[in-house]
Amino acid sequence: QVQLKESGPGLVQPSQTLSLTCTVSGLSLTSNSVSWIRQPPGKGLEWMGVIWSNGGTDYNSAIKSRLSISRDTSKSQVFLKMNSLQTEDTAMYFCARNGGDYWGQGVMVTVSS
Amino acid sequence: DVVMTQTPVSLSLAIGQPASISCKSSQSLLGTSGKTFLNWILQRPGQSPKRLIYQVSKLYSEVPDRFSGSGSETEFTLKISRVEAEDLGVYYCWQGTHFPLTFGSGTKLEIK
Repeated sequence: QVQLKESGPGLVQPSQTLSLTCTVSGLSLTSNSVSWIRQPPGKGLEWMGVIWSNGGTDYNSAIKSRLSISRDTSKSQVFLKMNSLQTEDTAMYFCARNGGDYWGQGVMVTVSS
Repeated sequence: DVVMTQTPVSLSLAIGQPASISCKSSQSLLGTSGKTFLNWILQRPGQSPKRLIYQVSKLYSEVPDRFSGSGSETEFTLKISRVEAEDLGVYYCWQGTHFPLTFGSGTKLEIK
């Protein structure tokens, strides 16, 4: 059974760095790619970036300068780090298997002082 | 970036009525592999998105056959032959042919 679960702080101060973890079960990160997608409250979905099965990454150019995605295959975990957070980064953050067939439950992140 | 335009923004239908949602892309979604990576997902209230259809018309195994997808190049349609109560939520089309991946703005289906 494939499962993805996001975890991380619910509240981040402006200008600080967001760190999220996606813990995966039921699939191997060495043969599956994982994307991060976010959704501001009441709004649509924005693809942020992907870590490929070979460890390479691709990012949305709109946030590329602030974003880093990495992984620890031994722990089946994918990490998202995004710096210089602003209030507009307040959103539900999801990880999903690339292809969009499996999604995590999401983690709500609020950027506020 | 490929812009995905969904219409209508919302639908209010009674149980048993058919539904149709349009999704248009600003570029052809036919990839060099010959595959078209146009997908549909449903986000029920308070939940994460759930898979419905991939590559235009292929239903995931758990999706009822009252759902169908069609289209090509830049114009795509999701249809529900007879709406049921569990179908309420926001439907999104999204494309995986071009980077960055992009989503439509969503169609909210309400049950009368």
